[in-house]
This record gives sequence, structure tokens and C-alpha cells, in this order.
Amino acid sequence: DAGITQSPRHKVTETGTPVTLRCHQTENHRYMYWYRQDPGHGLRLIHYSYGVKDTDKGEVSDGYSVSRSKTEDFLLTLESATSSQTSVYFCAIGSGTSGSYEQYFGPGTRLTVT
Amino acid sequence: QQPVQSPQAVILREGEDAVINCSSSKALYSVHWYRQKHGEAPVFLMILLKGGEQKGHEKISASFNEKKQQSSLYLTASQLSYSGTYFCGLLVNAGGTSYGKLTFGQGTILTVHP
Repeated sequence: DAGITQSPRHKVTETGTPVTLRCHQTENHRYMYWYRQDPGHGLRLIHYSYGVKDTDKGEVSDGYSVSRSKTEDFLLTLESATSSQTSVYFCAIGSGTSGSYEQYFGPGTRLTVT
Repeated sequence: QQPVQSPQAVILREGEDAVINCSSSKALYSVHWYRQKHGEAPVFLMILLKGGEQKGHEKISASFNEKKQQSSLYLTASQLSYSGTYFCGLLVNAGGTSYGKLTFGQGTILTVHP
């Protein structure tokens, strides 16, 4: 158990509303990641963080922003949700040494945009 | 670029063996394998590093051919609990700027029947 929680676990929202998903870890890991998972696409990286206030874009970052003001929290924000952002969102932490980071995933958030 | 996994799906009976392959068009530093059960988060299985080192947590073996940029996961004497979707994740660069970012394949669905 890597001590990762996500909230909320389920959310239904309307198109055009802002949404913030929270990832919380208890083990002081430096690296954190946000993924989305859709049928046929596997896990795709949205944004990642390599320290407090240090974040960067992944392969599918359009329409998403992130913030990390504390080591333990990594927030993902959809500024104006669209139906194409309906997905399951996973947060992960990276644990290990350079070149061999194992990633451990949170339980996921199922987001539906109507 | 997303790695390619094959086969896309495998159906086995308990006790049978299976091999799942993962190939990349880029030179790799390490290959990570994960298993995800329906409705759950992906779970780390093992990592194979350039140079032959392996780190794993379960009785599953794998190989990493650096020249061919391929990895294979070997599931022997399969059990019902092996059912799930298997993902490979690739780390292309090992340096400090990689931040442990992985690119995942689309997944292989493994079903084990009694």
C-alpha cells in the first residue's frame, strides 16, 4: 500500500463546469502523475510533477491544469469540463531510484461529464 | 510513441501458459509491467532494467531484449487470479529529466477459466 488516496471517487458534472480532482499521498514521494484511462487507449499521461510547484505537461494535457503546493497533494483541474473528458482518472506516485521508478496508483476517480 | 502489445487478448484454462509481448520503436532504458483487474487500479508487477537487472513482486518472469527493444512477460501454470489486463510501460531516458515518465501500451486482456 503506497498510501495514495483520490477524491472524489465518482463525480457527475455538467458540460462547462469546473472540476477539481485531488490526489493525496502520505509517503513524501517526489514524483506524482495524473493519467486518464479510456477503452482502447490504455493509460495516457496528462500532467506530472517532480516537486512542489514543479509540474509539466504530458501527452494529453489540453483542457487540464495542475497544481502542487504541498508534497502530499497533487490537484488536477478541468477548467471547463467537456464530454470528451469523461474518463477514469488515476493518480500515481513514482518510487525508486533514477531509471527504475516503480509507479503505484491510487484507486481512481470515475468522472462523467453530461 | 505508444508501445505495441501482442496479443490483444488471450483466453486460457487454469494451468496453461501465456506470453505477452511489448515492443517499441525507441531505445529503452527500462520496461515496467502492470496488471489491472476490472474496476481496480493498475498494480505494479515487475521492472526490467537495461543491463539485465530485474525487480519484481510476484512469481512472474519476464525478459528484456535491449537490441530489439522488446519485452515479454511469461505467465506459467496460470491461476484464476491471473485474469486481468496487462500493461507494459516504457521508460526511454534514465536521466534526471525523465522524471520517471512512462509510456504505456494499450493492454492485453488475459482471461483464465477453470
